[in-house]
Amino acid sequence: EVQLVESGGGLVQPGRSMKLSCAASGFTFNNYDMAWVCQAPKKGLEWVATISYDGSSTYYRDSVKGRFTISRDNAKSTLYLQMDSLRSEDTATYYCARHSGGYFAYWGQGTLVTVSS
Amino acid sequence: DIQMTQTPSSMPASLGERVTISCRASQGISNYLNWYQQKPDGTIKPLIYYTSNLQSGVPSRFSGSGSGTDYSLTISSLEPEDFAMYYCQQYDSSPLTFGSGTKLEIK
Repeated sequence: EVQLVESGGGLVQPGRSMKLSCAASGFTFNNYDMAWVCQAPKKGLEWVATISYDGSSTYYRDSVKGRFTISRDNAKSTLYLQMDSLRSEDTATYYCARHSGGYFAYWGQGTLVTVSS
Repeated sequence: DIQMTQTPSSMPASLGERVTISCRASQGISNYLNWYQQKPDGTIKPLIYYTSNLQSGVPSRFSGSGSGTDYSLTISSLEPEDFAMYYCQQYDSSPLTFGSGTKLEIK
């Protein structure tokens, strides 16, 4: 059974950093691209970033370029999202998802990040 | 960016009813369109990929169709577990974008 379990969310002050993790199991992690998708409170879903199966390529939405870094450790079957210079508008639940050809076939349960002073 | 417009934003419906949710892209997306269901606890379940292909394990009462800029998700006979939020998502071009969602509510 595919499982994606996010962790690392919480309350953080504007301008500070936070690193999210997503532990994957139930599939061969290093065969798949992975992604982060976020959802602000009471809002819709928004793609954040994608990383290729081997980590060689990364893609970001414009609003997080230069602030967020997606990475992975295939030996640990873990996906990461390093979030720097956080803003109030980054407040959201962040979902980890297995990304196959534009399709998010599996999702985690999400971890809430609240950016507030 | 490609804008995805879902209608209606909310839809009251009854058990056993047939419902259709629409999704319109701001430009043609060549059938690169997926559908997802989100429950109130936040759990997200993929339903349909590439316009009309049912994800494994998804009941056959769900179906998708469309072309060009206009797509739809149909549930042929509503079951209690179908009352949830539904989102469309395009992957024709980056950034990948989602519709604003349709809340299917019990009438």
